[in-house]
Amino acid sequence: DVKVTQSSRYLVKRTGEKVFLECVQDMDHENMFWYRQDPGLGLRLIYFSYDVKMKEKGDIPEGYSVSREKKERFSLILESASTNQTSMYLCASSFYGVAGPGTYGELFFGEGSRLTVL
Amino acid sequence: AQSVTQPDIHITVSEGASLELRCNYSYGATPYLFWYVQSPGQGLQLLLKYFSGDTLVQGIKGFEAEFKRSQSSFNLRKPSVHWSDAAEYFCAVGNTDKLIFGTGTRLQVFP
Repeated sequence: DVKVTQSSRYLVKRTGEKVFLECVQDMDHENMFWYRQDPGLGLRLIYFSYDVKMKEKGDIPEGYSVSREKKERFSLILESASTNQTSMYLCASSFYGVAGPGTYGELFFGEGSRLTVL
Repeated sequence: AQSVTQPDIHITVSEGASLELRCNYSYGATPYLFWYVQSPGQGLQLLLKYFSGDTLVQGIKGFEAEFKRSQSSFNLRKPSVHWSDAAEYFCAVGNTDKLIFGTGTRLQVFP
Protein backbone atom coordinates (compact mmCIF):
# COMPACT_ATOMS: atom_id res chain seq x y z
CA ASP A 1 0.00 0.00 0.00
CA VAL A 2 1.04 3.54 -0.68
CA LYS A 3 1.95 5.37 2.44
CA VAL A 4 2.16 9.12 2.83
CA THR A 5 3.43 10.08 6.25
CA GLN A 6 3.14 13.51 7.79
CA SER A 7 5.54 13.93 10.65
CA SER A 8 3.28 15.84 13.02
CA ARG A 9 -0.43 15.25 13.54
CA TYR A 10 -0.92 18.21 15.89
CA LEU A 11 1.17 21.33 16.36
CA VAL A 12 0.69 24.46 18.42
CA LYS A 13 2.89 27.42 17.53
CA ARG A 14 3.08 31.09 18.37
CA THR A 15 2.68 33.99 15.99
CA GLY A 16 5.93 34.75 14.24
CA GLU A 17 7.47 31.32 14.72
CA LYS A 18 8.92 29.41 11.77
CA VAL A 19 7.04 26.19 11.19
CA PHE A 20 8.12 23.11 9.23
CA LEU A 21 5.66 20.47 8.12
CA GLU A 22 7.28 17.34 6.76
CA CYS A 23 5.82 14.79 4.38
CA VAL A 24 7.35 11.54 3.15
CA GLN A 25 5.95 9.09 0.59
CA ASP A 26 7.22 5.58 -0.05
CA MET A 27 5.90 4.85 -3.56
CA ASP A 28 8.39 6.70 -5.71
CA HIS A 29 5.72 9.17 -6.85
CA GLU A 30 6.85 12.06 -8.99
CA ASN A 31 4.21 14.53 -7.83
CA MET A 32 3.76 15.84 -4.32
CA PHE A 33 1.27 18.39 -3.06
CA TRP A 34 0.42 20.50 -0.04
CA TYR A 35 -3.23 21.40 0.55
CA ARG A 36 -4.90 23.42 3.20
CA GLN A 37 -8.36 22.35 4.42
CA ASP A 38 -10.76 24.73 6.12
CA PRO A 39 -14.46 24.22 6.91
CA GLY A 40 -16.69 25.33 4.07
CA LEU A 41 -13.74 25.96 1.76
CA GLY A 42 -12.75 22.41 0.90
CA LEU A 43 -9.18 21.74 -0.11
CA ARG A 44 -7.06 24.54 -1.48
CA LEU A 45 -3.73 23.88 -3.16
CA ILE A 46 -0.78 25.71 -1.63
CA TYR A 47 2.18 24.34 -3.60
CA PHE A 48 3.03 21.30 -5.63
CA SER A 49 6.13 19.71 -7.07
CA TYR A 50 6.47 17.39 -10.04
CA ASP A 51 10.17 16.66 -9.60
CA VAL A 52 13.03 17.05 -7.19
CA LYS A 53 13.91 20.70 -6.65
CA MET A 54 10.90 21.75 -8.75
CA LYS A 55 7.99 23.64 -7.23
CA GLU A 56 4.93 25.37 -8.54
CA LYS A 57 2.57 27.75 -6.81
CA GLY A 58 -0.95 26.63 -6.22
CA ASP A 59 -3.96 28.77 -5.44
CA ILE A 60 -2.88 30.18 -2.08
CA PRO A 61 0.95 30.27 -1.86
CA GLU A 62 1.23 33.53 0.08
CA GLY A 63 2.93 33.08 3.42
CA TYR A 64 4.25 29.62 2.53
CA SER A 65 7.29 28.11 0.90
CA VAL A 66 8.28 24.53 0.10
CA SER A 67 11.35 22.40 -0.30
CA ARG A 68 11.88 19.20 -2.21
CA GLU A 69 15.47 18.06 -1.95
CA LYS A 70 14.68 14.36 -2.29
CA LYS A 71 12.00 12.65 -4.34
CA GLU A 72 10.26 11.12 -1.35
CA ARG A 73 10.17 14.22 0.86
CA PHE A 74 8.22 17.45 0.48
CA SER A 75 8.34 20.09 3.20
CA LEU A 76 5.99 23.00 3.78
CA ILE A 77 7.46 26.02 5.53
CA LEU A 78 5.66 28.86 7.23
CA GLU A 79 8.37 31.52 7.55
CA SER A 80 6.46 33.55 10.13
CA ALA A 81 3.30 31.87 11.31
CA SER A 82 0.16 33.93 11.67
CA THR A 83 -3.18 33.15 13.29
CA ASN A 84 -4.91 32.98 9.90
CA GLN A 85 -2.70 29.99 9.07
CA THR A 86 -4.41 27.92 11.73
CA SER A 87 -5.74 25.03 9.66
CA MET A 88 -5.50 21.38 8.68
CA TYR A 89 -2.65 20.75 6.25
CA LEU A 90 -2.78 17.73 3.97
CA CYS A 91 0.10 16.31 1.99
CA ALA A 92 -0.54 14.13 -1.08
CA SER A 93 1.45 12.37 -3.76
CA SER A 94 0.76 10.83 -7.15
CA PHE A 95 2.37 9.42 -10.24
CA TYR A 96 2.31 11.55 -13.33
CA GLY A 97 -1.00 11.63 -15.17
CA VAL A 98 -1.35 10.09 -18.61
CA ALA A 99 -0.04 13.23 -20.26
CA GLY A 100 3.32 12.97 -18.51
CA PRO A 101 5.29 15.41 -16.32
CA GLY A 102 3.22 18.20 -14.89
CA THR A 103 0.00 16.19 -15.06
CA TYR A 104 -1.72 14.30 -12.31
CA GLY A 105 -3.04 10.89 -11.51
CA GLU A 106 -4.82 9.62 -8.44
CA LEU A 107 -3.78 11.40 -5.25
CA PHE A 108 -2.77 9.54 -2.11
CA PHE A 109 -3.12 11.57 1.07
CA GLY A 110 -1.44 11.63 4.43
CA GLU A 111 -3.48 11.83 7.63
CA GLY A 112 -3.04 15.56 7.96
CA SER A 113 -1.31 17.98 10.31
CA ARG A 114 -3.55 20.20 12.37
CA LEU A 115 -1.74 23.45 13.08
CA THR A 116 -2.88 25.98 15.66
CA VAL A 117 -1.17 29.37 15.72
CA LEU A 118 -1.71 31.37 18.90
CA ALA B 1 -13.75 28.70 -15.28
CA GLN B 2 -13.10 25.23 -13.96
CA SER B 3 -15.08 24.40 -10.86
CA VAL B 4 -16.72 21.67 -8.84
CA THR B 5 -19.98 22.12 -6.98
CA GLN B 6 -21.30 19.91 -4.24
CA PRO B 7 -24.69 21.48 -3.54
CA ASP B 8 -25.37 19.63 -0.31
CA ILE B 9 -23.27 20.74 2.63
CA HIS B 10 -24.80 18.28 5.07
CA ILE B 11 -26.94 15.17 4.53
CA THR B 12 -28.55 12.98 7.16
CA VAL B 13 -29.81 9.47 6.41
CA SER B 14 -30.95 6.49 8.40
CA GLU B 15 -28.84 3.36 8.44
CA GLY B 16 -29.97 1.06 5.66
CA ALA B 17 -31.36 3.86 3.53
CA SER B 18 -30.05 4.63 0.07
CA LEU B 19 -27.71 7.53 -0.53
CA GLU B 20 -26.95 9.88 -3.39
CA LEU B 21 -24.39 12.68 -3.11
CA ARG B 22 -24.41 15.23 -5.89
CA CYS B 23 -21.45 16.60 -7.79
CA ASN B 24 -21.53 18.98 -10.73
CA TYR B 25 -18.49 20.26 -12.54
CA SER B 26 -17.41 22.79 -15.10
CA TYR B 27 -14.32 21.74 -17.02
CA GLY B 28 -13.14 22.60 -20.49
CA ALA B 29 -11.52 19.32 -21.45
CA THR B 30 -12.50 15.70 -20.90
CA PRO B 31 -12.44 15.42 -17.13
CA TYR B 32 -11.00 12.84 -14.84
CA LEU B 33 -13.41 12.53 -11.92
CA PHE B 34 -12.84 11.33 -8.40
CA TRP B 35 -14.69 10.81 -5.16
CA TYR B 36 -12.74 10.87 -1.91
CA VAL B 37 -13.91 10.15 1.64
CA GLN B 38 -12.49 11.64 4.82
CA SER B 39 -13.25 10.09 8.18
CA PRO B 40 -12.94 12.37 11.22
CA GLY B 41 -9.33 13.31 11.94
CA GLN B 42 -8.03 11.43 8.92
CA GLY B 43 -6.70 12.17 5.48
CA LEU B 44 -8.64 11.56 2.28
CA GLN B 45 -9.12 8.10 0.82
CA LEU B 46 -10.04 7.44 -2.79
CA LEU B 47 -13.48 5.83 -3.19
CA LEU B 48 -13.57 5.64 -6.97
CA LYS B 49 -12.43 7.33 -10.15
CA TYR B 50 -13.53 7.80 -13.73
CA PHE B 51 -11.06 8.30 -16.54
CA SER B 52 -12.87 6.86 -19.57
CA GLY B 53 -15.04 3.96 -20.71
CA ASP B 54 -18.08 2.70 -18.83
CA THR B 55 -19.80 5.67 -17.26
CA LEU B 56 -20.91 3.69 -14.21
CA VAL B 57 -17.93 3.04 -12.00
CA GLN B 58 -17.69 0.87 -8.94
CA GLY B 59 -15.59 1.78 -5.96
CA ILE B 60 -14.68 0.55 -2.55
CA LYS B 61 -17.08 0.10 0.37
CA GLY B 62 -20.04 -0.57 -1.94
CA PHE B 63 -20.08 2.89 -3.54
CA GLU B 64 -20.69 3.62 -7.20
CA ALA B 65 -20.87 6.76 -9.32
CA GLU B 66 -22.24 7.60 -12.72
CA PHE B 67 -20.68 10.07 -15.12
CA LYS B 68 -23.29 11.99 -17.09
CA ARG B 69 -21.57 14.22 -19.61
CA SER B 70 -24.78 15.93 -20.71
CA GLN B 71 -25.50 17.00 -17.15
CA SER B 72 -21.87 17.61 -16.15
CA SER B 73 -22.48 15.45 -13.14
CA PHE B 74 -20.75 12.65 -11.29
CA ASN B 75 -23.08 11.64 -8.46
CA LEU B 76 -22.06 9.15 -5.82
CA ARG B 77 -24.52 6.44 -4.74
CA LYS B 78 -24.83 3.63 -2.26
CA PRO B 79 -27.90 1.39 -2.01
CA SER B 80 -27.72 0.82 1.74
CA VAL B 81 -25.78 3.08 4.08
CA HIS B 82 -23.90 1.75 7.11
CA TRP B 83 -23.17 3.75 10.25
CA SER B 84 -19.47 3.57 9.39
CA ASP B 85 -20.12 5.61 6.23
CA ALA B 86 -20.53 8.75 8.33
CA ALA B 87 -17.76 11.00 7.01
CA GLU B 88 -17.11 13.89 4.67
CA TYR B 89 -17.15 13.23 0.95
CA PHE B 90 -15.28 15.24 -1.65
CA CYS B 91 -15.73 15.26 -5.40
CA ALA B 92 -12.74 16.29 -7.51
CA VAL B 93 -12.12 16.93 -11.21
CA GLY B 94 -8.94 17.30 -13.22
CA ASN B 95 -6.99 16.09 -16.20
CA THR B 96 -3.77 17.60 -17.38
CA ASP B 97 -4.15 20.33 -14.82
CA LYS B 98 -4.33 20.30 -11.06
CA LEU B 99 -7.22 18.61 -9.32
CA ILE B 100 -10.07 20.87 -8.27
CA PHE B 101 -11.97 19.79 -5.18
CA GLY B 102 -15.52 20.55 -4.18
CA THR B 103 -16.24 21.94 -0.73
CA GLY B 104 -17.46 18.60 0.55
CA THR B 105 -20.66 16.99 1.81
CA ARG B 106 -20.82 15.84 5.40
CA LEU B 107 -22.83 12.64 5.82
CA GLN B 108 -24.48 11.85 9.12
CA VAL B 109 -26.02 8.40 9.65
CA PHE B 110 -28.71 7.72 12.22
CA PRO B 111 -29.20 4.21 13.63
